[in-house]
Amino acid sequence: QVRLVESGGGAVQPGESLRLSCETGGFTFSDAGMHWVRQAPGKGLEWVAFIRHDATNTLYLDSVKGRFAISRDNSKDTVFLQMNRLRPEDSAVYYCAKDLSPYFDLDYWGQGTLVTVSS
Amino acid sequence: DIQLTQSPSFLSASVGDTVIITCRASQDIASYVAWYQQSPGKAPKLLLYAASHLHSGTPSRFRGSGFGSEFILAINSLQPEDFATYYCQQLKSHPFTFGLGTKVEIK
Repeated sequence: QVRLVESGGGAVQPGESLRLSCETGGFTFSDAGMHWVRQAPGKGLEWVAFIRHDATNTLYLDSVKGRFAISRDNSKDTVFLQMNRLRPEDSAVYYCAKDLSPYFDLDYWGQGTLVTVSS
Repeated sequence: DIQLTQSPSFLSASVGDTVIITCRASQDIASYVAWYQQSPGKAPKLLLYAASHLHSGTPSRFRGSGFGSEFILAINSLQPEDFATYYCQQLKSHPFTFGLGTKVEIK
């Protein structure tokens, strides 16, 4: 069955960096667009970034543009989120999700990884 | 950015009830709406895509409708496992914004 497993979260100080990974299985990764979505503690969902199946296009939330970078390795069925210059307001559980090709809708999600940015 | 307004933000209902959740978009988004269910401590799950299409595994008591700027999620004959938070999301243009959520609690 479809599997998405995030890793790489942790506690960092403002200004530091983290790289999240999402290892996948159970579907043809190279055919799927991939999203990152975050959820601050006790808050709602916030879409963060998207990458096309062939990595030819990426999309970002304005508040992370220039600080975060989404990428993928289709040979390893893995998507990444490089997060630089982290801010306290970036603290959240980060989920990766695959799209319901050809739609953007997020049809399967991982269990999430927690990022805490605090001094 | 396209804003989504969900209402109500909270509702209390009993097993067997029918509940209606509304999602209004700040502009025309055709049928580019998805609905998700999130239980406490769990990842969201896709219920419906393209406003009215049931995702694989979604029970038929969930129905979606709407087009343009107003959308509805209806849950018929509420079951114990349906008590959760529901989110709409627009996928017409990025950023792919979510509504603030509707928490459905047991009366």
